[in-house]
Parts: sequence; structure tokens; C-alpha cells
Amino acid sequence: DTAVSQTPKYLVTQMGNDKSIKCEQNLGHDTMYWYKQDSKKFLKIMFSYNNKELIINETVPNRFSPKSPDKAHLNLHINSLELGDSAVYFCASSHSGSYNEQFFGPGTRLTVL
Amino acid sequence: DAKTTQPPSMDCAEGRAANLPCNHSTISGNEYVYWYRQIHSQGPQYIIHGLKNNETNEMASLIITEDRKSSTLILPHATLRDTAVYYCIVRPPYTGANSKLTFGKGITLSVRP
Repeated sequence: DTAVSQTPKYLVTQMGNDKSIKCEQNLGHDTMYWYKQDSKKFLKIMFSYNNKELIINETVPNRFSPKSPDKAHLNLHINSLELGDSAVYFCASSHSGSYNEQFFGPGTRLTVL
Repeated sequence: DAKTTQPPSMDCAEGRAANLPCNHSTISGNEYVYWYRQIHSQGPQYIIHGLKNNETNEMASLIITEDRKSSTLILPHATLRDTAVYYCIVRPPYTGANSKLTFGKGITLSVRP
């Protein structure tokens, strides 16, 4: 199936740990995003990448480091996890040459204890 | 991006039309109106977008007032699976990789049997 996929779906970890979330899209899109949805359900952009180049960085702490090995993948690495990092993280992708309909992944629920 | 205001919630009966309003009184001339929805525990899903003409696709219809200061998303025959948070977003067209979506609080639609 063509889609945006994320792994893992759930991630429970201790404060101070380092963790990664992986995202892959097989839609042939050239732009990928990370969004964060907090406990109050607000959904906010974190990063966007176009052809492996960082385009948007919305004042996210530098403990968060996105990495795009190729156009189909955008991974999110988080260092020194804090309680406030607990949220659902959504990956999305789109084609930059269109009206930018964004396709979202199923989300990764991160819980920091 | 221009701001939008939506009522916090509404409900409708299954099989009836659901009309979801959105105000965007500060919309600029080149900004489009987009609608996304988020079903519980899933990623947001694109529904439809429009500039000034009414639009229809297999999911919904979008009615934009002549002055473009408000719009209505219409789900013609709501089903229980349409229960979700619906987001109205305004943004310029084709901003390339700078195309972040700015989500507000959305409107929670509850479809009752």
C-alpha cells in the first residue's frame, strides 16, 4: 500500500534516554515533515525537509535532530528525553510542486517516564 | 497564515448532512482554504481545498462565501466514521517546501446513530 509509515507506534522510555522514530513514505514525495501533538491536542510543525535539505525548523530544542538519508525517509532522533517530550509525533509528506496536500503517518506515541 | 475560528463542537445524526462552519475574516487574496480531519488516534487526513469557487470531491463539498471571509464544509451523508476533529486552515498556494500547516483547535464533529 502507498502510504506514510512510522515506527514504532508506541515508545515508552525513561527521562534522559536517547530514542529515534523512523518515517518512510513511498508516495514519491520530495518533502517530509515532523509534527508534534501535545496532550492538549494541539498539532504543531517541528521540521520540514525538501530533497534531504532542512527547510523549516520551528524553534525546536536542539535535542531534536531530524535526519533524512534520502527523499523517502525522515527520521527523528531525540537526545536526553524530558517529561515534556511526551506527545504523539506525526510524520507527513507532500509534493512541493502541488497544492501541497500533506499525507500523514499514523503517529508515534512517545511517553517519557 | 491567516487565522481561522471554528466552533468547538457540533453533532449531527447519521445519514444527515453535516455543515461545519469556519470564519477566516482576515484571509488574503491568494490564500486557499484547506480542510483536514483527524479521526481519533489517527494522523490528520486531507479532505478538500478551495480558493473562491465551491469545490466538491468524493469526501465533501466546500462552500466559500463571495467575500471569502467564511466557508462551510459539507459532509452530505454523515456516518459514524466521520466522527473526528475537523480543521479549517488558510494558507497561500504552493509555498513549496515551506508549506507548513498551522492547525488550530478545530471543531469536533460527533455523529450520533
